[in-house]
Amino acid sequence: GDSVTQMEGPVTLSEEAFLTINCTYTATGYPSLFWYVQYPGEGLQLLLKATKADDKGSNKGFEATYRKETTSFHLEKGSVQVSDSAVYFCALSDRGGANNLFFGTGTRLTVIP
Amino acid sequence: NAGVMQNPRHLVRRRGQEARLRCSPVKGHSHVYWYRQLPEEGLKFMVYLQKENIIDESGMPKERFSAEFPKEGPSILRIQQVVRGDSAAYFCASSAEGQGINNEQFFGPGTRLTVL
Repeated sequence: GDSVTQMEGPVTLSEEAFLTINCTYTATGYPSLFWYVQYPGEGLQLLLKATKADDKGSNKGFEATYRKETTSFHLEKGSVQVSDSAVYFCALSDRGGANNLFFGTGTRLTVIP
Repeated sequence: NAGVMQNPRHLVRRRGQEARLRCSPVKGHSHVYWYRQLPEEGLKFMVYLQKENIIDESGMPKERFSAEFPKEGPSILRIQQVVRGDSAAYFCASSAEGQGINNEQFFGPGTRLTVL
């Protein structure tokens, strides 16, 4: 069945450090891929998405590229800020839309000044 | 410009009691989704509803769990005779459409259910 495997945390970085959170997936067909972020006390927010192979999603300095050959969708940011501290979830949808999202376990990021 | 509202944010129940979780979608959204996050696990899809209809309940346990989204009022996830294994965070999401360009899901802050 469809599944998402996400880098386990927690991850602690100093401000301005480079961030990578790994995400790999298993799916039949051609899923859409997503990164969601959850700030303390809030709901999940869509951070970025990609709907086909080689697409790059980007938002707020974060990027992720849909790699079909390695079934990966790693999240990267060149220079993290304290305000990026949150839990990050990788997810996929197996129908091209988003009716039924499969989520990874989440990675907690803490950025220290 | 309210987002998805869930209440209560925290709910404590004793084994055997009923839990009722409420979700008010984004104004104008007619599609609602419920997810459950068990400790140390990712969110798992439970059910997808459109006004007055259950579209997909493939992730719902067969017993004790039910969901509704009436014509008026919030969506309700109901858990009867709760057990300790029901302790989890329950997230609701809503979307304007079920497919296509407006199907992005907007999530609420979740309800944390603790069963004593």
